[in-house]
Amino acid sequence: GDSVTQMEGPVTLSEEAFLTINCTYTATGYPSLFWYVQYPGEGLQLLLKATKADDKGSNKGFEATYRKETTSFHLEKGSVQVSDSAVYFCALSKGGAGGTSYGKLTFGQGTILTVHP
Amino acid sequence: GAVVSQHPSRVICKSGTSVKIECRSLDFQATTMFWYRQFPKQSLMLMATSNEGSKATYEQGVEKDKFLINHASLTLSTLTVTSAHPEDSSFYICSARKTVSYEQYFGPGTRLTVT
Repeated sequence: GDSVTQMEGPVTLSEEAFLTINCTYTATGYPSLFWYVQYPGEGLQLLLKATKADDKGSNKGFEATYRKETTSFHLEKGSVQVSDSAVYFCALSKGGAGGTSYGKLTFGQGTILTVHP
Repeated sequence: GAVVSQHPSRVICKSGTSVKIECRSLDFQATTMFWYRQFPKQSLMLMATSNEGSKATYEQGVEKDKFLINHASLTLSTLTVTSAHPEDSSFYICSARKTVSYEQYFGPGTRLTVT
């Protein structure tokens, strides 16, 4: 079946450091790929997405490129802030429009990021 | 916005009792809602897909008679954990998908503790 593997955390960085969180996936067909972020005490929020190979998703200084040849969707940010401290989830979605499970997400295990001042 | 609420945020119940968790989309209609379970330091596991006005679709290994899902309106889905046991203690998260979109919006989760 489909699966998503993220680098294990926790990741601890100083403010303004460069961030990479690795994500690789296994899936048949052409999934859409997502990064979600979960701040303490809050629900998951969509951070960015890419729906086809070579697409780059970006938001709030975060970027990730859909690499089909390496089945990867690594998350990067050039300069992290304390406010970026959260849990980050990589996910994929498959399914055609109209299906009852359309949009079903498969998540990676999550990576805890802590940024110190 | 696209806000999803869950109620309660935390619940403690005794073994053998049932507990109901509500998931509401506050400012949009959701034909489809999803229920997830999250164990400590682990990923979210999809339990079931809830479609308004029809029976839920359960993932393999999830007992449908134990986790009852009702999606009676376009803004409300409920998950009832029946005859709860300590091993049902977990963090339950719902998400709602806008009727014309594939994006999901997540609730803040419900912490269930069964004693």
